[in-house]
Amino acid sequence: QKEVEQDPGPLSVPEGAIVSLNCTYSNSAFQYFMWYRQYSRKGPELLMYTYSSGNKEDGRFTAQVDKSSKYISLFIRDSQPSDSATYLCAMSPQAAGNKLTFGGGTRVLVKP
Amino acid sequence: EAQVTQNPRYLITVTGKKLTVTCSQNMNHEYMSWYRQDPGLGLRQIYYSMNVEVTDKGDVPEGYKVSRKEKRNFPLILESPSPNQTSLYFCASRVWGQETQYFGPGTRLLVL
Repeated sequence: QKEVEQDPGPLSVPEGAIVSLNCTYSNSAFQYFMWYRQYSRKGPELLMYTYSSGNKEDGRFTAQVDKSSKYISLFIRDSQPSDSATYLCAMSPQAAGNKLTFGGGTRVLVKP
Repeated sequence: EAQVTQNPRYLITVTGKKLTVTCSQNMNHEYMSWYRQDPGLGLRQIYYSMNVEVTDKGDVPEGYKVSRKEKRNFPLILESPSPNQTSLYFCASRVWGQETQYFGPGTRLLVL
């Protein structure tokens, strides 16, 4: 079983809808959680970074962490076609740790 | 422009023929890392380097070598490539102690 599980999608939504993405993990040592966005034929870019349990909001993006359930989520409000990308969760036991463990990524398609 | 560059971007080779993928960053970052990305498996870390002459294994180091003789460069060496090393490779860098990691554009490798 993988340490980090993520539904590969694709997840197709109409423009303006809320996109809901999630990851589950098995390693209770993970304390730091990240979401990366990867456009086709590009490298990933950091979107959100959270520590331990709770919520973090940045514009249209909200990241949630529930450590008791080993479950993290990313919500994208008012989705735009430009949000069409693959979203990867990543986690680490240390802040700015040497090793990151990634999920497999969820492909999202926002249709105009 | 601040960036991570990789060369070549695409490479087709044959089993056993040594190859090097170069990675260079112009941001004076201490930390650099190599990942491979395979469908459904997400990004898996191959090697990382915390600074010049300091390198360590990631999760999938078998069949790869790295060196860090200069701060800006972190080449990935495949001494004897095999078909199971066919993958999309990403180099990344960041400031030591910070979370934001900057990825290169990727190198798509096919080993026949």
